[in-house]
Amino acid sequence: QQQVKQSPQSLIVQKGGIPIINCAYENTAFDYFPWYQQFPGKGPALLIAIRPDVSEKKEGRFTISFNKSAKQFSLHIMDSQPGDSATYFCAASKGVLGTDKLIFGTGTRLQVFP
Amino acid sequence: DAGVTQSPTHLIKTRGQQVTLRCSPKSGHDTVSWYQQALGQGPQFIFQYYEEEERQRGNFPDRFSGHQFPNYSSELNVNALLLGDSALYLCASRGSGNTIYFGEGSWLTVV
Repeated sequence: QQQVKQSPQSLIVQKGGIPIINCAYENTAFDYFPWYQQFPGKGPALLIAIRPDVSEKKEGRFTISFNKSAKQFSLHIMDSQPGDSATYFCAASKGVLGTDKLIFGTGTRLQVFP
Repeated sequence: DAGVTQSPTHLIKTRGQQVTLRCSPKSGHDTVSWYQQALGQGPQFIFQYYEEEERQRGNFPDRFSGHQFPNYSSELNVNALLLGDSALYLCASRGSGNTIYFGEGSWLTVV
């Protein structure tokens, strides 16, 4: 029940495409859903996060769609660029303002070709 | 404004040895968590410190221990190192909000 399932494991798109990464969770107590971007040899960097009372959140070219009833959320990257090539992790946490530990998905390796 | 800083960045230890990793949280942050990230995997929660006390712990053996100092910095200690402890160890800090920031990590190789 503590797991966050992420798919696909890897994704290849051409520049300008819209890669979509999906995550699913079981624990309905989760109330904070961030996405992290990680480049090789670096720590994860927060991209965007959403709370379950919102169905969509957009920040720049990154959009989170959230489906509370299906317990699923996804990351869309608009107009993808080669510089977006990285590993993306979804995560979830619970507690007041999501103060509990982060449960991470297994990651999606994105490659954007020119 | 300095982010989360970790040291050392890379280290190699021999099986059975002990290691100490250090973390300084982002300015104004008082909660520090440690995560282990094996190659090709997502980070796994080790434990969280707040007000110098361990508040939460993940599924890691007692060989993993930690400490938080009055200035909010933290240490992660691992005793009796095993080959399987080879990983990237990440420190994360959080302030009054729920945004969690990660450091660049310490790469540990156990040989």
